[in-house]
Amino acid sequence: SQKIEQNSEALNIQEGKTATLTCNYTNYSPAYLQWYRQDPGRGPVFLLLIRENEKEKRKERLKVTFDTTLKQSLFHITASQPADSATYLCALPLSYKLIFGSGTRLLVRP
Amino acid sequence: DADVTQTPRNRITKTGKRIMLECSQTKGHDRMYWYRQDPGLGLRLIYYSFDVKDINKGEISDGYSVSRQAQAKFSLSLESAIPNQTALYFCATSDTSGGASGTDTQYFGPGTRLTVL
Repeated sequence: SQKIEQNSEALNIQEGKTATLTCNYTNYSPAYLQWYRQDPGRGPVFLLLIRENEKEKRKERLKVTFDTTLKQSLFHITASQPADSATYLCALPLSYKLIFGSGTRLLVRP
Repeated sequence: DADVTQTPRNRITKTGKRIMLECSQTKGHDRMYWYRQDPGLGLRLIYYSFDVKDINKGEISDGYSVSRQAQAKFSLSLESAIPNQTALYFCATSDTSGGASGTDTQYFGPGTRLTVL
């Protein structure tokens, strides 16, 4: 069955550094992949979408890559700020629905 | 005003009680979803609806039922609540624009924190 894996351990980095989060998937060839941000006690908020024919997508300080051979997406936040602290979820389409990873918590220290 | 609203935001109830969680949206989207979120387990789909006459079970529908009263309203019911249904519940919407190349970008409500004692 299809599986999505995100690092369950929190990523703790210093302000100003680049944060890199990983999303791996198996038994699957998605047409696109999405990234969401979730703050504690709140609903996820859509950030970026990258399609299978795109290698990289950028939005302000965010960059997403999609390697369909490795079955992996990397999510980068450059010049990270404490306000970037949140949980980041990846999501992939399956049969007209989205399947979400369990998310990785990012902590940015001032 | 928020595009996707959920009521109540918090609810504490007892085992065996019937509970209804409500979701309304002003985005004009056809598709609506109910998820539950538990620590370490991520978001799991309970039910989804692609239009008013279409209701589908998700991966964890046992113990839950839904009603799509209108395009804008989708409610989730727990007929007889049990403690392991204690969780954070989210409603979400997406539209069907884009055809075959479209994507199901989802817009979430603020969530309902449900505690079953």
